[in-house]
Amino acid sequence: NAGVMQNPRHLVRRRGQEARLRCSPMKGHSHVYWYRQLPEEGLKFMVYLQKENIIDESGMPKERFSAEFPKEGPSILRIQQVVRGDSAAYFCASSLRDGRPEAQYFGPGTRLLVL
Amino acid sequence: GENVEQHPSTLSVQEGDSAVIKCTYSDSASNYFPWYKQELGKRPQLIIDIRSNVGEKKDQRIAVTLNKTAKHFSLHITETQPEDSAVYFCAASQAGTALIFGKGTTLSVSS
Repeated sequence: NAGVMQNPRHLVRRRGQEARLRCSPMKGHSHVYWYRQLPEEGLKFMVYLQKENIIDESGMPKERFSAEFPKEGPSILRIQQVVRGDSAAYFCASSLRDGRPEAQYFGPGTRLLVL
Repeated sequence: GENVEQHPSTLSVQEGDSAVIKCTYSDSASNYFPWYKQELGKRPQLIIDIRSNVGEKKDQRIAVTLNKTAKHFSLHITETQPEDSAVYFCAASQAGTALIFGKGTTLSVSS
């Protein structure tokens, strides 16, 4: 029973490049959440997606950041023209369904370093 | 929107002692309250959760209590062990919404 998978685990980018982070939810889970964690800080919500739909993107910066969860394949968080302040750990979590509060299970994270 | 406050930010205990971490939330509509444990460089791991229709839940050495009226919930760890050392996060949410996390508590258990 594979858990939430993320890749790459580590990503180094130079300022101005693009970063693409991928997340495959647990089998049977159709809800994906992305969170960002700065060093020695808590987890901040970015975006909540279901298959082919963005449900809530209130935590995601309006510029340079986008997310998708296509019908086939993993969810992708895309950061264009990265800046040093984007350096952080990016975690995705998945849950089974909505309608009642459901546990969210986290992936191992992608640690992005912007040089 | 929801706001979650967590205290203390650091907690040091001796092995075998109990540890208590407290959180308060602001949105009375929140009805789901999980706790996560995060070891250095690792993913947050769900250790226990509670829904608003119960006041207490226990799993071996870990228990969580919820006071809806006061809008606070607590994590209790009994008979602490060195492997309990980690950062603990509380969170709150409603059905179909994202988790809003507290800032975390660094628990150190010394033997």
